[in-house]
Parts: sequence; structure tokens; C-alpha cells
Amino acid sequence: GAVVSQHPSWVICKSGTSVKIECRSLDFQATTMFWYRQFPKQSLMLMATSNEGSKATYEQGVEKDKFLINHASLTLSTLTVTSAHPEDSSFYICSAHGQATDTQYFGPGTRLTVL
Amino acid sequence: GENVEQHPSTLSVQEGDSAVIKCTYSDSASNYFPWYKQELGKRPQLIIDIRSNVGEKKDQRIAVTLNKTAKHFSLHITETQPEDSAVYFCAAIASSGNTPLVFGKGTRLSVIA
Repeated sequence: GAVVSQHPSWVICKSGTSVKIECRSLDFQATTMFWYRQFPKQSLMLMATSNEGSKATYEQGVEKDKFLINHASLTLSTLTVTSAHPEDSSFYICSAHGQATDTQYFGPGTRLTVL
Repeated sequence: GENVEQHPSTLSVQEGDSAVIKCTYSDSASNYFPWYKQELGKRPQLIIDIRSNVGEKKDQRIAVTLNKTAKHFSLHITETQPEDSAVYFCAAIASSGNTPLVFGKGTRLSVIA
């Protein structure tokens, strides 16, 4: 089956710093990747849709200047949380949508804690 | 856009009993309905899915049914085991290759031994 990796698996940072999270599709090319955020005991909330070679599409209420997304290749998308604050602490999960399948495959997630 | 409602939010069953989780969707264009199981701190894992040209699909103890007319789909787990305890999410998508899944709010299933 398709494998999606995410790095790092967890990160702790100070308020005001930036954090970059990588999402890679390891054995297939992902034309589209999605970034979700999940707060404790809640569902996955879509933050943005990342299309290879074009600008990401952000969901309403998600600040594009705070959550920078880059999808420079068919196997890599990155999410940078800029000037992180404690309220940004969450579980960030990416998913990759293959070219020939409806199924989305999730990365293992990144737990971000902002002190 | 699509809206997915999921019920119940919590469900406790005795080991060996069946568990049923129900979802409704709003967009008649949706045609792919996956179910995910998520254990604490881990990624959602696809456990079963169904497409709109099929009414029912079964995989061992897990089955999913779809009623397109009513825009309902359900997850059925039979002979539940303690390891089935997790949060289950339904989702819907109008399959076009570039659209994201829309998730329900999740059901926390507890199987009591």
C-alpha cells in the first residue's frame, strides 16, 4: 500500500519561532496533498489543499501567511508554522492523494507543542 | 460544500456485541465513503470504504452500507473485541482527484471486556 511519511513526529518550540513539517509520499506520486489539524478529542479539520507546482488553497479561517505551504515536487509538501503561539499547539497530519486512486493516505502526524 | 454528520459521538458495547455508527452527507455528488479508525496519538487508518455504485461491502467483522437516496452510510462491527476500541471517523468525497475528504466528528467506541 501507499506510504506517507511525516517529519518530525513531534516538536517542542518556543513562542515566536517557526516550525517546518515535511510530508512525503514514499512510493507514489502525489499530485495533491492535504494538511489537517486535530485538537484533542476533535475531528480532523482541513487547513489547506496543496497542489504540486501551484499555490495552496486555504480553508476559511486559516491564515495563509501564518501557515506557509510549499509543494515543490510530486513527493514532498511542507507546512511551516510561522511565529508559533501556544494556541497553535496541535496534531498536524498530512494526507496524500495519488494520481490513480480515490484513497487518501495519511502521514503519521506531527505533534507540535508551543511553549 | 459537503457536510458530514456522524452519530453517536460515544458508544460503549460489551465484548462480543455489535456496534453501529451512522453518518449522513449532504452533497449528492459525493461518491466515495471511507471509514477510518484512529487510536490515540496515531494517524487515521483506513478500515473499509464504499463507492456509490455499491450498496454494501463486507470485510470479515466489518461491513459498510450505503443508502444513496437517503444519503446515509453506516459502519457495522460484529463480534466486537477490546482492540476495536478507538475513535472512528466517516468521511465523504466527490471523487475528482483533487478534493479533500470531509470528515464526521468521530465516534469514540469503547468495547468493555
